[in-house]
Amino acid sequence: RKEVEQDPGPFNVPEGATVAFNCTYSNSASQSFFWYRQDCRKEPKLLMSVYSSGNEDGRFTAQLNRASQYISLLIRDSKLSDSATYLCVVHNGNKLVFGAGTILRVKS
Amino acid sequence: DVKVTQSSRYLVKRTGEKVFLECVQDMDHENMFWYRQDPGLGLRLIYFSYDVKMKEKGDIPEGYSVSREKKERFSLILESASTNQTSMYLCASTLTGGSYEQYFGPGTRLTVT
Repeated sequence: RKEVEQDPGPFNVPEGATVAFNCTYSNSASQSFFWYRQDCRKEPKLLMSVYSSGNEDGRFTAQLNRASQYISLLIRDSKLSDSATYLCVVHNGNKLVFGAGTILRVKS
Repeated sequence: DVKVTQSSRYLVKRTGEKVFLECVQDMDHENMFWYRQDPGLGLRLIYFSYDVKMKEKGDIPEGYSVSREKKERFSLILESASTNQTSMYLCASTLTGGSYEQYFGPGTRLTVT
């Protein structure tokens, strides 16, 4: 079983739609959680950290459920520029563990 | 802005060749990492380093070695390249002290024929 699992997608949504991704992790001792964004043929970049209390950054909301060991990312009012691969990332011990990513395609 | 640079964007090598991938960061970060990224597998950690001349194995170190002689530079070495090492290689760096935001270089697409 992979340490971090994501639905690979792709999620094809129209502009303005709300879309949500989930991610599950296997190590209950994981300490910190993040979402990274990776554009096509580009390097990953930090999108946001994920806290137990949930956090919001504009149109993006991240949630953590430690009991069920899953993390979610909600994107409201999707834009064409949101099209990318979203990587779920978990901090275990002294390293980050990356999920394989979920592809989002926003279409006009 | 943090800048992480990698020596090549694209590289084609033959089986058995020794390959050097260079990574340089300009923000005085202590920690540096090498990953490979393959479709469906995500980023997998090869080696990392917390200080000059220090290295630790990641999840898939077999077939690779690293060198960190200077703080800003972290090199990945494929001693004898094989076709299963064809991949995208990404270098990253972070500060210490609990900062987990990793800054990535643009990647090197290595093809071994």
